[in-house]
Amino acid sequence: EVQLVESGGGLEQPGGSLRLSCAASGFTFTTYAMSWVRQAPGKGLEWISTISGSGLITYYADSVKGRFTISRDNSENTVFLQMNSLRAEDTAIFYCGRNVGGYDGLYYFNHWGQGTLVTVSS
Amino acid sequence: EIVLTQSPGTLSLSPGERATLSCRASQSVSGPYLAWYQQKPGQAPRLLIFDASIRAAGIPDRFSGSGSGTDFTLTISRLESEDLAVYYCQQYDSSHWTFGQGTKVQ
Repeated sequence: EVQLVESGGGLEQPGGSLRLSCAASGFTFTTYAMSWVRQAPGKGLEWISTISGSGLITYYADSVKGRFTISRDNSENTVFLQMNSLRAEDTAIFYCGRNVGGYDGLYYFNHWGQGTLVTVSS
Repeated sequence: EIVLTQSPGTLSLSPGERATLSCRASQSVSGPYLAWYQQKPGQAPRLLIFDASIRAAGIPDRFSGSGSGTDFTLTISRLESEDLAVYYCQQYDSSHWTFGQGTKVQ
C-alpha cells in the first residue's frame, strides 16, 4: 500500500525557515517524481514544487522560486521542502504527492499524504 | 501559464441527480493532460480522472470525464451522498501544473 506521511509543519515567524519531510513507503521510490502542493485555509490547491525520481531535475512555482528548495534522499525514501523567508501568505496545509502519467511520469498526482500545517505569523 | 476556471462555484443537488461540472482553460490544453480530483472536508485530494476521460483505479463508473481543447466536463451520473465534496480540475503544461479554483457539490 502506498503511504506518504508528511511532517515538519508548525508555527514560524515571518522571515523564518521550516523544513518539511515526506516519508514514502509501499512503492519503488526512485521510479517516481514527487511534488508538494499546498492549500491555504479555506482556499483551493496550489502546486508548489516537483522533483524527478533521480533528484536531478526540479521545478518550482513562481510564488516560491528562490525561497523554497525541494530535495530527496532516495536511500531514505524521503522528499523534503526547505522553506526560507517565510511570509504570512505561505500559511497553508502542505501536501506531498506522487506524480504519475504522461511519457515522463509527471503529469498528475495519484497519491497524497494527509498534509502538514504551516502557519506563518508573528 | 494556463489558467483554469471552474463553474459553477457551488452546485446544490439531491442524491440520484446528475452533476455536471465545467472546467475552462485560458488556452488549449495539450494532450489533453487534464485531471479531476475530489476533496472531502479534512481529507487530501483524490485523483478521479486523468487524460481528461480515463478513470483512475477504483473510481466508480458514475464518474466520467470529457472534453478537449479548452472545455472540459466532469459528470457524476447519479449523485450519492458520499460524493458531496469539492472537485478540482488540474492541467500540466511545460513543467507547470495549475488547478482550477474548485466546484463545491452540496
